[in-house]
Amino acid sequence: AQSVTQPDIHITVSEGASLELRCNYSYGATPYLFWYVQSPGQGLQLLLKYFSGDTLVQGIKGFEAEFKRSQSSFNLRKPSVHWSDAAEYFCAARLQGAQKLVFGQGTRLTINP
Amino acid sequence: NAGVTQTPKFQVLKTGQSMTLQCAQDMNHNSMYWYRQDPGMGLRLIYYSASEGTTDKGEVPNGYNVSRLNKREFSLRPESAAPSQTSVYFCATTEPGQGFLYNEQFFGPGTRLTVL
Repeated sequence: AQSVTQPDIHITVSEGASLELRCNYSYGATPYLFWYVQSPGQGLQLLLKYFSGDTLVQGIKGFEAEFKRSQSSFNLRKPSVHWSDAAEYFCAARLQGAQKLVFGQGTRLTINP
Repeated sequence: NAGVTQTPKFQVLKTGQSMTLQCAQDMNHNSMYWYRQDPGMGLRLIYYSASEGTTDKGEVPNGYNVSRLNKREFSLRPESAAPSQTSVYFCATTEPGQGFLYNEQFFGPGTRLTVL
């Protein structure tokens, strides 16, 4: 079955530290991949997306993600986090031509001052 | 451009009552979706509509009805509210297609439903 897994439910980092959020997918073919962010009480906002081509994708708010086919992974990174990055982050995948977007369980990010 | 709007923002129901969650979009997208979000479970698809006049079940459709009124509007209705339907509900839209410009889902702000 098609699935997206985010192994870390909750991560805490200090402000200014680097960040990596993990995402693994299980699909028969390479899907389109997305990272969304959800601030408390808000809807979801797209950070970045990967369709094909360059495996390092730049997004908004200083985030980037790297697609690794051999590891079926699409990890999100940021070199230096800010207190405003505290939120929940969702990885999602969709096969080309498919209607449905499959979400991971989410990773809640807490920033220590 | 309002994007995707949802009404109401909050709703409290008693078990057995019903009401309609409304979603409207001005993005001219063909596809619309209803998700529910519960702690530790991410977003789960309830129903979706690939185009006006069509609806299909998602992962957790039981206990819900939907209606794609026109291209802009897609409503969700608990059949007979139960405490298990307490959740935050998100509507989303997308324009399916080939390539980078398509397939991004745009989300509404959510409706928090509590069933007592």
